[in-house]
Amino acid sequence: ETGVTQTPRHLVMGMTNKKSLKCEQHLGHNAMYWYKQSAKKPLELMFVYSLEERVENNSVPSRFSPECPNSSHLFLHLHTLQPEDSALYLCASSQEGGTTGSEKLFFGSGTQLSVL
Amino acid sequence: GQNIDQPTEMTATEGAIVQINCTYQTSGFNGLFWYQQHAGEAPTFLSYNVLDGLEEKGRFSSFLSRSKGYSYLLLKELQMKDSASYLCAVRDGDYKLSFGAGTTVTVRA
Repeated sequence: ETGVTQTPRHLVMGMTNKKSLKCEQHLGHNAMYWYKQSAKKPLELMFVYSLEERVENNSVPSRFSPECPNSSHLFLHLHTLQPEDSALYLCASSQEGGTTGSEKLFFGSGTQLSVL
Repeated sequence: GQNIDQPTEMTATEGAIVQINCTYQTSGFNGLFWYQQHAGEAPTFLSYNVLDGLEEKGRFSSFLSRSKGYSYLLLKELQMKDSASYLCAVRDGDYKLSFGAGTTVTVRA
């Protein structure tokens, strides 16, 4: 248990569906992240929220829409996805604001998404 | 972007030692992380190096050479539960964190 909970663990959706991924952190952190993990590829940073404001958006297609209603919750809204969007979506949190660079990420177990 | 390279797969025998290398090219440097990820589970933090040298933590050690852009994770007295993917991640001069593709370690009896 890392203190970061993601639901659902598995999701199968058609290209015309709308679904949402949910992440909750119980660590009191001030930053939350969405990463995409595809087989044999590096983790790709999608979005970063710091103090509930989006501070990074790595050229992610608009069919992915993040939402951070408070510092403990993060959502990823999905619509009209493509088969190549099938991957493991990981949420993470951290306590940012230091200057050492040693702030580590705490990850959830991810949502394994399959787009048919 | 950043360039982080690590081997794709490694296999070792229970009780043996395995060394996972990671090389990187970044603009600036603010630390290197190693994470462990078991299949279907969350990546978990193993180690952090920002100064040159060896950091030892039980059976696991991590080494850094900033001048060579090189790190390794050393796993000693391998156990079956050490079978997992090991991710190298580097924080650059702008404090952005980039990951390698991960090294899958298989421990055989």
